[in-house]
Amino acid sequence: AQSVTQLDSQVPVFEEAPVELRCNYSSSVSVYLFWYVQYPNQGLQLLLKYLSGSTLVKGINGFEAEFNKSQTSFHLRKPSVHISDTAEYFCAVSSSNTGKLIFGQGTTLQVKP
Amino acid sequence: DVKVTQSSRYLVKRTGEKVFLECVQDMDHENMFWYRQDPGLGLRLIYFSYDVKMKEKGDIPEGYSVSREKKERFSLILESASTNQTSMYLCASSLAVRAQYFGPGTRLLVL
Repeated sequence: AQSVTQLDSQVPVFEEAPVELRCNYSSSVSVYLFWYVQYPNQGLQLLLKYLSGSTLVKGINGFEAEFNKSQTSFHLRKPSVHISDTAEYFCAVSSSNTGKLIFGQGTTLQVKP
Repeated sequence: DVKVTQSSRYLVKRTGEKVFLECVQDMDHENMFWYRQDPGLGLRLIYFSYDVKMKEKGDIPEGYSVSREKKERFSLILESASTNQTSMYLCASSLAVRAQYFGPGTRLLVL
């Protein structure tokens, strides 16, 4: 069975500082990996996705993530955060033969001035 | 851009009422999903559909049913609403095993 673990439930960080949100997954088959962002009272917005190819994936709003197969990780990074990045972030995995997603529990990013 | 719309952003219903939540996508996606999101419990899959008139149970289907009569529309039905169904409901669609695209959500309050 697949599972996703987001290692931090909350990450406080000062504006313009770098940030890393950690995600580990377990799966016995090939996977596709995703990061989503959710602002208050809104749906989830796709930040970036890894389907195949380069292990460094760039997404919207200056975010990027690196797929590490040996460590089964897909950590999300941004070199300099803004107040507007305050939101909840979800890591998700799907297997190569279904469209279902397994979500992590989410990480709340709190950007302080 | 993919657009997924949900019929209501906020909804208040009474216990025992039949509730319909509608979801429409405009990108000819074959897959559609219904989730509920609750604090501390994350996103949980209620039902999904891979094709018209086709449905499969997710992790928490009890108390819910779905309908997919047209490819672009996926409806979630609460046959008899209960207070424990107060939640944020999210619809999503996807093409094959690609990324899912979400609607804005419906916050349902059952009194």
